[in-house]
Amino acid sequence: QSALTQPPSASGSPGQSVTISCTGTSSDVGGYNYVSWYQQHPGKAPKLLIYEVIKRPPGVPDRFSGSKSGNTASLTVSGLQAEDEADYYCSSYAANKGVFGGGTKLTVL
Amino acid sequence: QLQLQESGPGLVKPSETLSLTCTVSGGSISSGSYNWGWIRQPPGKGLEWIGSLTYSGSTYYNPSLQSRVTIAVDTPKNQFSLKLSSVTAADTAVYYCARHRGAFIALAFEFWGQGTLVTVSS
Repeated sequence: QSALTQPPSASGSPGQSVTISCTGTSSDVGGYNYVSWYQQHPGKAPKLLIYEVIKRPPGVPDRFSGSKSGNTASLTVSGLQAEDEADYYCSSYAANKGVFGGGTKLTVL
Repeated sequence: QLQLQESGPGLVKPSETLSLTCTVSGGSISSGSYNWGWIRQPPGKGLEWIGSLTYSGSTYYNPSLQSRVTIAVDTPKNQFSLKLSSVTAADTAVYYCARHRGAFIALAFEFWGQGTLVTVSS
């Protein structure tokens, strides 16, 4: 059982927006502004999309955005594209350790 | 461009020690205030943070693995390593090495190796 809770699946049509949630506790997501989001295509290494809740590394499109409210962080993918179909994982700092969510499979219909 | 490459045995017997090396190219492992980590992913499952090594030499481990894990750096070889002792079938996974973006506390892994599958079986 993962430390952070994500919905197992999400879907949307091309051009639409989809939001994926990541729920933790006050000891991780809620206690620190250190939530990251990763995209993973089959057979590939994860790719960092968002760090420190809202920041994007260079090269990540601004269609990907992050937010947080209380113990729940969210990743929003706007203007869905076919290549966005992948698994998405959240992670958080939690008192000298890192914790991941179980992952969400995003399907582009 | 920074590149990371995992290497090590793909098959380990139960109760033995899993040993992996991450070779860093395109940059010095000791330059800058960079932090390094290991993450694993069992087949068909999610990601699990194993532990991290900071630029100052501190190590942080997943409490669930702490009694069995050692992460160390070999600066002259531009490598860092992972040792996991007393392995069982539950340790079968793709193991990734990665470099943090920024401080350790951010737990943001920006550069990843391609991953290496380690199977625990007799």
